Amino acid sequence: KQEVTQIPAALSVPEGENLVLNCSFTDSAIYNLQWFRQDPGKGLTSLLLIQSSQREQTSGRLNASLDKSSGRSTLYIAASQPGDSATYLCAVMAGGGADGLTFGKGTHLIIQP
Amino acid sequence: EADIYQTPRYLVIGTGKKITLECSQTMGHDKMYWYQQDPGMELHLIHYSYGVNSTEKGDLSSESTVSRIRTEHFPLTLESARPSHTSQYLCASSEYLGTTYNEQFFGPGTRLTVL
Repeated sequence: KQEVTQIPAALSVPEGENLVLNCSFTDSAIYNLQWFRQDPGKGLTSLLLIQSSQREQTSGRLNASLDKSSGRSTLYIAASQPGDSATYLCAVMAGGGADGLTFGKGTHLIIQP
Repeated sequence: EADIYQTPRYLVIGTGKKITLECSQTMGHDKMYWYQQDPGMELHLIHYSYGVNSTEKGDLSSESTVSRIRTEHFPLTLESARPSHTSQYLCASSEYLGTTYNEQFFGPGTRLTVL
């Protein structure tokens, strides 16, 4: 059974710092990996999608990497801003015909002004 | 930009009532999903659909049922709500391109409280 772990569970940093969020998964047979942000009382906003054949994806100040063989992904946020404060979720879509995403519990990020 | 809608956003209801949570998307996506999220916990897949007249159960056992009569609409029904059904329910959709699963887009969620 696929399990997704996110470290750290919570992180608080001053504005302007670069930071890295970590995600690991137990079964490397995945179709893709997706990073989301979740704001309180709201749904999920898709940030980046990495297909299993890709190594990284970039969008603005965000860069996500994927090492499928070791079961790891990182989300790098450059020049953090208070508006980046949210819970960041990592999710994988398993291979082998299974459907839907398996989620981690998330990293709760606070950017201090 | 993803266009996926859920109603109601918040629902407080008494035990034993029948409820339907609505989900609709305007992107023409074939694949749709329902996830359940308890406070402080991860999301779990409870139902999904490949297209019209297709429904499948997800990883987490749920007493709810779903239907897919139209591509854009994927409602979730609880025949008799119980306090254990109190949770947030999130709907999502995605496009499947034959060999590639695209990103899933999520609605704003319905926060259900059963008294």
